[in-house]
Amino acid sequence: NAGVTQTPKFRILKIGQSMTLQCTQDMNHNYMYWYRQDPGMGLKLIYYSVGAGITDKGEVPNGYNVSRSTTEDFPLRLELAAPSQTSVYFCATSGILASQETQYFGPGTRLLVL
Amino acid sequence: ILNVEQSPQSLHVQEGDSTNFTCSFPSSNFYALHWYRWETAKSPEALFVMTLNGDEKKKGRISATLNTKEGYSYLYIKGSQPEDSATYLCAPTHGSGNTGKLIFGQGTTLQVKP
Repeated sequence: NAGVTQTPKFRILKIGQSMTLQCTQDMNHNYMYWYRQDPGMGLKLIYYSVGAGITDKGEVPNGYNVSRSTTEDFPLRLELAAPSQTSVYFCATSGILASQETQYFGPGTRLLVL
Repeated sequence: ILNVEQSPQSLHVQEGDSTNFTCSFPSSNFYALHWYRWETAKSPEALFVMTLNGDEKKKGRISATLNTKEGYSYLYIKGSQPEDSATYLCAPTHGSGNTGKLIFGQGTTLQVKP
């Protein structure tokens, strides 16, 4: 099992460009999450999904969009990249017990917006 | 917005020292408390999930306790080793909805000198 995979590993964007960060899991987990790493601030939740077709906002959703058409995939979309979105993005999943289960993190996508 | 505080922010110890850090969180509507270990340039890895007041968990030289009534958790490392150097994140979940939404503290960064 690959677990949680993220692509790309690293990307440089120009201000105003758009891109999609991919997240795929083969753990058959219902719950999936997107976080961003802000220096000195730990991890902030951007969006999450409790199952295919269901998504909701986290702490810092502005500037991002998500979709969840399958159990396996949870892409994160940046429509108009801004320097403030320079960060490392982590996708994570958890099983049916959600809050009482550990989350499994992908390797991260490092994004630089110039 | 939940306020999750971790202290100290950073810690430098000698190999063999024992150490502990604190995670403080709102006690109302508490659901579960997660601890993660995060090495530089890697993904966060789960250490513990605790739910009950008075819970104690242990994994090798690392242990954690939970007080849900006063809203804090302690993480202990006995006989620190250089490989314990990492950032330790805590994240409570609150509310009745089982969404797995974690609100992370800013972390405690531990550096163990050989």
